[in-house]
Amino acid sequence: AQSVSQHNHHVILSEAASLELGCNYSYGGTVNLFWYVQYPGQHLQLLLKYFSGDPLVKGIKGFEAEFIKSKFSFNLRKPSVQWSDTAEYFCAVNRGGYNKLIFGAGTRLAVHP
Amino acid sequence: GAVVSQHPSRVICKSGTSVKIECRSLDFQATTMFWYRQFPKQSLMLMATSNEGSKATYEQGVEKDKFLINHASLTLSTLTVTSAHPEDSSFYICSAQIHRETGELFFGEGSRLTVL
Repeated sequence: AQSVSQHNHHVILSEAASLELGCNYSYGGTVNLFWYVQYPGQHLQLLLKYFSGDPLVKGIKGFEAEFIKSKFSFNLRKPSVQWSDTAEYFCAVNRGGYNKLIFGAGTRLAVHP
Repeated sequence: GAVVSQHPSRVICKSGTSVKIECRSLDFQATTMFWYRQFPKQSLMLMATSNEGSKATYEQGVEKDKFLINHASLTLSTLTVTSAHPEDSSFYICSAQIHRETGELFFGEGSRLTVL
């Protein structure tokens, strides 16, 4: 079955700490990869996406993610988090040729000042 | 980015009544929209794929007679929760797709349904 795994359910960091959120998916072939963010009380927004090309993609607000095909991973990173990064982060995968977007369970990030 | 508007954002209804939630793409045409359900502290569960001018495609385990989806135009899809019960209380999120090839979705604000 298709699956997207996010290993960290809750992450607590202090401001200026570095962040890495893991995301793995379970199927081969062509994939399109996404990270979405949901700030408290707001709707889902796209952080970044990977379709092809450079496996290191940069998104909004200083986030980046690296696609490692051999590891079936698409981890999200940010060198120095801010209090305003407190949110829930969802990894999502679209399998090439299919139009469904499958989401991971989400990671709730809390950043303390 | 593209804008998707969902209405109402919150609705409270009595058990046994039906509730309609609207999803509109405001600045683009969406041939395909998706309806998700999000339980507290859980991920988004895909309920159905709504295709303009044709019947929706439901995911396994989702009752099509309970969750009626209509996609009558390129900018509007509706989800009707029929004969709602307390276990239907949840956060319902719609999304619209511009490019099928990439799978990228634009999301509405979500609708929180509470069934008393």
